[in-house]
Amino acid sequence: QKEVEQDPGPLSVPEGAIVSLNCTYSNSAFQYFMWYRQYSRKGPELLMYTYSSGNKEDGRFTAQVDKSSKYISLFIRDSQPSDSATYLCAIRAGANSKLTFGKGITLSVRP
Amino acid sequence: KAGVTQTPRYLIKTRGQQVTLSCSPISGHRSVSWYQQTPGQGLQFLFEYFSETQRNKGNFPGRFSGRQFSNSRSEMNVSTLELGDSALYLCASSLAQGPGYTFGSGTRLTVV
Repeated sequence: QKEVEQDPGPLSVPEGAIVSLNCTYSNSAFQYFMWYRQYSRKGPELLMYTYSSGNKEDGRFTAQVDKSSKYISLFIRDSQPSDSATYLCAIRAGANSKLTFGKGITLSVRP
Repeated sequence: KAGVTQTPRYLIKTRGQQVTLSCSPISGHRSVSWYQQTPGQGLQFLFEYFSETQRNKGNFPGRFSGRQFSNSRSEMNVSTLELGDSALYLCASSLAQGPGYTFGSGTRLTVV
C-alpha cells in the first residue's frame, strides 16, 4: 500500500465552483500535512500547512485533516481560472523526516 | 529574498553518461532535499542533506548520489544514465525544522 494516495484526475470545473481535493494516507505516525500547488514549468509551492486534525482556512482555501480516518482534503471556494494547476498533498512524520507526496491532481477551471 | 536556484534548467545527455545538477538554497536554509518528478510516478524523494550530512535517503539505486557544501549549496550526481532517468529533478530547501519546503523550478533532464 502506498503511503499517500491521491484522487486521480484530471478535474475540470467551471469558474466559481467549489473544488474538493482529497488524499488518504496509511501511516498513523504522520503528523504534518501540506498542500502544494504546481504551475506548469514551475516547482511546487506550499499552499497550506496543518499540524493536527481539524480545519485551517486561508482566504478561499480550506485544508481539512481527519487523523482518525487518515484523510486530508483541500477545498477551494469560488474557484478562478488562475487556480488551474496541479495540486499535491504531502505528509511527513516528524520535523526531520522526509516529505512524501501524493501523485497530484491537475485542476482546470474553465472561465 | 532570492528563491531556490537550480542550474541548469534543461539538460540533454546520452545514455551511459553522467550528470551533475546544482542547487543553491534560500539564504539561511540548511536543509536541502532532492526529488525526481515523472508523469508516471509523481514526486519521488531522492535524499536530504542537512549541515553537509545526508539525513534521509529514498529508494533509488546507488547511481544517484548527492552532497552538500559548507555554504549549504548542494549537488546531485547521476552516473551511467539510463533512458528512465529522464525527469524533472527538483531541489527544495527548508529551515532546520521547518514544516514545508521551498522548491526551485527544477532541472529538466532528458536522456537520449
